Amino acid sequence: NAGVTQTPKFRILKIGQSMTLQCTQDMNHNYMYWYRQDPGMGLKLIYYSVGAGITDKGEVPNGYNVSRSTTEDFPLRLELAAPSQTSVYFCASSSPSYEQYFGPGTRLTVT
Amino acid sequence: AQRVTQPEKLLSVFKGAPVELKCNYSYSGSPELFWYVQYSRQRLQLLLRHISRESIKGFTADLNKGETSFHLKKPFAQEEDSAMYYCALGDGDKLIFGTGTRLQVFP
Repeated sequence: NAGVTQTPKFRILKIGQSMTLQCTQDMNHNYMYWYRQDPGMGLKLIYYSVGAGITDKGEVPNGYNVSRSTTEDFPLRLELAAPSQTSVYFCASSSPSYEQYFGPGTRLTVT
Repeated sequence: AQRVTQPEKLLSVFKGAPVELKCNYSYSGSPELFWYVQYSRQRLQLLLRHISRESIKGFTADLNKGETSFHLKKPFAQEEDSAMYYCALGDGDKLIFGTGTRLQVFP
């Protein structure tokens, strides 16, 4: 039981490039979340999903897109990367409760 | 607006000293509050939730609706308590996190 897995662990992007951060969970959780963690700013919710085919914006969705075609996967797409998107990205999942299970994170640098 | 405030970015104590990490919230309704912890090189994980009224690793937190607070306390800090602590508020299908407090416990 791997829990929540994220790939890649690290990535450096040039300004204007695009990439997809992958997130997979094997706990059959309906709820999945993407956060970014910036120093001194805590965790900010980017997007979340309450089930396959359903997604909703969080607090900081601009510059990102998501899709949820299966229960297990919740990829986060960055289009036209900008330096402001340099951050650590966390994916999490949960059943209908507030106990969220987090992935190990992806450290992204945009230069 | 729903909000969680953790006023201290960093809290440093010596081993054996009492610890109190502050958390205040703003919420219209009956709040559900949580403490999450991230140890070095580990994933963020749930530490405790107010509804359980439990003590985990010696930590307790009491919801004070009058003061809209949910402070995390431990009477005697240990070095292994050094970590980043986040207070979180349940809001519909999601959590609102505070900005976090880094606890450093010196030997």
